[in-house]
Amino acid sequence: DGGITQSPKYLFRKEGQNVTLSCEQNLNHDAMYWYRQDPGQGLRLIYYSQIVNDFQKGDIAEGYSVSREKKESFPLTVTSAQKNPTAFYLCASADWSNTEAFFGQGTRLTVV
Amino acid sequence: SQELEQSPQSLIVQEGKNLTINCTSSKTLYGLYWYKQKYGEGLIFLMMLQKGGEEKSHEKITAKLDEKKQQSSLHITASQPSHAGIYLCGADSTGNQFYFGTGTSLTVIP
Repeated sequence: DGGITQSPKYLFRKEGQNVTLSCEQNLNHDAMYWYRQDPGQGLRLIYYSQIVNDFQKGDIAEGYSVSREKKESFPLTVTSAQKNPTAFYLCASADWSNTEAFFGQGTRLTVV
Repeated sequence: SQELEQSPQSLIVQEGKNLTINCTSSKTLYGLYWYKQKYGEGLIFLMMLQKGGEEKSHEKITAKLDEKKQQSSLHITASQPSHAGIYLCGADSTGNQFYFGTGTSLTVIP
């Protein structure tokens, strides 16, 4: 079955460490997105990619980095420069010809 | 930057009351999606609207897309505690970019 997979579901890291969140899709979607959600708030766009080897900053890119070496994969690295990394991170992919978007189940990152 | 505005930002209602959430776009919409999310969980797709004037219902939730395709409303009838969560609208506004609204946090008091 096609879908989008985020891993891990829960992640704990010590302050000052970089951590990478995985997002994989087998839907053949060109576009992929990373969002961040904090309690009681809407999603905020971190980075997005519309094609392999290209990506753009979203509204809150500072302290994050991404890569898009393969169409299927769009990993997000939360660096030590991110001041408040504890949050729920959601990955999405989209196929514009179907005007449809799919979402992963999310990764809850806790920095202690 | 975000092109979708949702209102209200948060809503607290008594169980059994009706409520409406609005989503307004600054650009022409090519498809409007409504999602529900509880914090820490993935998004749940509610419905998609594509045509001006289109109206769809899912259980006690009804969504409409206006004729100019730049605004949608989500109406919940006889709200229940299970309706609580964050409601998000999403849209493909240019055919090339997907945006989410800022979200509406709904609390239903038993």
